[in-house]
Amino acid sequence: DIVMTQSPDSLAVSLGERATINCKSSQTLLYTSSNKNYLAWYQQKPGQPPKLLISWASTRESGVPDRFSGSGSGTDFTLTISSLQAEDVAVYYCQQYYNTLSFGGGTKVEIK
Amino acid sequence: QVQLVQSGAEVKKPGSSVKVSCRASGVTFSDFTIIWVRQAPGQGLDWMGGIIPIISAPFYAQRFQGRVTLTKDESTSTAYMEVNSLRSDDTATFYCAGVEGSGWSFLDYWGQGTLVTVSS
Repeated sequence: DIVMTQSPDSLAVSLGERATINCKSSQTLLYTSSNKNYLAWYQQKPGQPPKLLISWASTRESGVPDRFSGSGSGTDFTLTISSLQAEDVAVYYCQQYYNTLSFGGGTKVEIK
Repeated sequence: QVQLVQSGAEVKKPGSSVKVSCRASGVTFSDFTIIWVRQAPGQGLDWMGGIIPIISAPFYAQRFQGRVTLTKDESTSTAYMEVNSLRSDDTATFYCAGVEGSGWSFLDYWGQGTLVTVSS
């Protein structure tokens, strides 16, 4: 099974500042024949199901603000919120779909 | 517009079973992969298993194998998740999620979640 490890567990960022969340997989998520990383990011607000933000490590879903960006390849990935807004307070999860599925433990983002 | 609508909250006694449903609309159900995810109170997301069309048989995450049964009824576009021998630590919100097409993938669509409370 592929183990996904997120860091930090939580972070507090001032409004308008950058938030960076890391995700590390126990094996590569890069499928060489397609040159695609099988990694997604989700946002979950209290009382709601998760919402898909990014797929293929860096492809933003339709309607997701461009302050959200994903980067990385292989085993190390990052979700960046370039300018934190109040509505971005949530828990963020990474998920691999290279071999069945598994999620990271989540990162709680709060306002400082 | 794809929608996944789950059955309502349940309260169960330890040792009993629960069956949660997930009805899909706006999608060709036979070409739709349904995944189940558990979220214990205040905890993260835990993939339980799923049914993908190309296999047409359920696949379980190892930790859920044996006590969880996943089925689907194509005539009603409904997927089911049953947990047997419930324990207090099974108290959780269960989500169905899905994606069009076959195969493990990112999850475009989510149900609203079903809270199952296990208490004597």
